[in-house]
Amino acid sequence: AQSVTQPDIHITVSEGASLELRCNYSYGATPYLFWYVQSPGQGLQLLLKYFSGDTLVQGIKGFEAEFKRSQSSFNLRKPSVHWSDAAEYFCAVGARGTYKYIFGTGTRLKVLA
Amino acid sequence: SQTIHQWPATLVQPVGSPLSLECTVEGTSNPNLYWYRQAAGRGLQLLFYSVGIGQISSEVPQNLSASRPQDRQFILSSKKLLLSDSGFYLCASEDRGKNYGYTFGSGTRLTVV
Repeated sequence: AQSVTQPDIHITVSEGASLELRCNYSYGATPYLFWYVQSPGQGLQLLLKYFSGDTLVQGIKGFEAEFKRSQSSFNLRKPSVHWSDAAEYFCAVGARGTYKYIFGTGTRLKVLA
Repeated sequence: SQTIHQWPATLVQPVGSPLSLECTVEGTSNPNLYWYRQAAGRGLQLLFYSVGIGQISSEVPQNLSASRPQDRQFILSSKKLLLSDSGFYLCASEDRGKNYGYTFGSGTRLTVV
């Protein structure tokens, strides 16, 4: 079955600390992988995407993610978190030619000053 | 790049009243269009998607319907709202065949009272 799992519902980090949000997927085809961020009351914004090639992808706002095929993971990282990063983060998976992406249930990030 | 206009931003409607939410897309043509719903503290639920004018696929049987009267216009409707229709409704768009990821609108917060 195709699925995306974000094991952490809530994560709290201190400002300036590093961050890693986990995403595991199950997908039959070669996956296209995405991370989105949603600020309260807003729509989702695409942070980064992976299609193929270099398994470490850079995104906006200083985020990066690493695709690990052997672990079926696509974890999101940031070396130093800012208070403005407090939001909800969604991982999604699809494939070339698909109409629909499968979204994880999200991880809510809280940043302590 | 695409821009999605969604309105209204907030809506309070009585049970049994009709609903019409509109989404228009700028910056692309022939997009795939989507309606998602987020219940409070929940993930994203795909309601409808459309790959062309007049072509609507329903993901979840319910009292909502969708229409696509023009290439870049997507409308979500209901004849009689239920309390359970409350939620945050998001319109999304993607360039057809590109799999670059969705662009989301800013959402409509619907409260049915």
